[in-house]
Amino acid sequence: GESVGLHLPTLSVQEGDNSIINCAYSNSASDYFIWYKQESGKGPQFIIDIRSNMDKRQGQRVTVLLNKTVKHLSLQIAATQPGDSAVYFCAENPPGANSKLTFGKGITLSVRP
Amino acid sequence: GAVVSQHPSRVICKSGTSVKIECRSLDFQATTMFWYRQFPKQSLMLMATSNEGSKATYEQGVEKDKFLINHASLTLSTLTVTSAHPEDSSFYICSARDPAWGQTVFGPGTRLTVL
Repeated sequence: GESVGLHLPTLSVQEGDNSIINCAYSNSASDYFIWYKQESGKGPQFIIDIRSNMDKRQGQRVTVLLNKTVKHLSLQIAATQPGDSAVYFCAENPPGANSKLTFGKGITLSVRP
Repeated sequence: GAVVSQHPSRVICKSGTSVKIECRSLDFQATTMFWYRQFPKQSLMLMATSNEGSKATYEQGVEKDKFLINHASLTLSTLTVTSAHPEDSSFYICSARDPAWGQTVFGPGTRLTVL
């Protein structure tokens, strides 16, 4: 559950560097995982997803890694740009037609120019 | 791509009044929509699942009589915050799953401020 009163952790990176954002998920039965980006005052935007039968998936400038053994998910952003500054959430989805997304706590990515 | 809209984007109301927030899927039909609440610097918390043509399913701890959900059509779900109080001030976000794409699409959110 959420911890009321705690601020989201922040990752600060230099523009042009690679960013790695980590997430621990809770349900070992979850078979689908998504990373979302949320800019201030906006709804979450889909970045990339991965199913549990994979351990790596690449998109444009982003890569998601899944380690089911330790229930860990990471998002790698190559050549981080100022426009990447946002809050990033991982979400897990257990199997089943009526399953619901569960969001992680989120991490704020701050890109230094 | 699939788009979900919300209206209004922001609303300010007096304590004790009711506020209705609309969530629309613009180019696809959604039998199920989801309503989330997000407090500042926190994650999204699922409040309820809105089901077209049937009652909504509420998460534990969410008062169904306070947060009324109506899913009257395949493209519209409404959330009504009844007798709003300052502690209801939050960012309310809806989502729907696009069946063609298989992805969950989120609306832009509605900022509710209760004075």
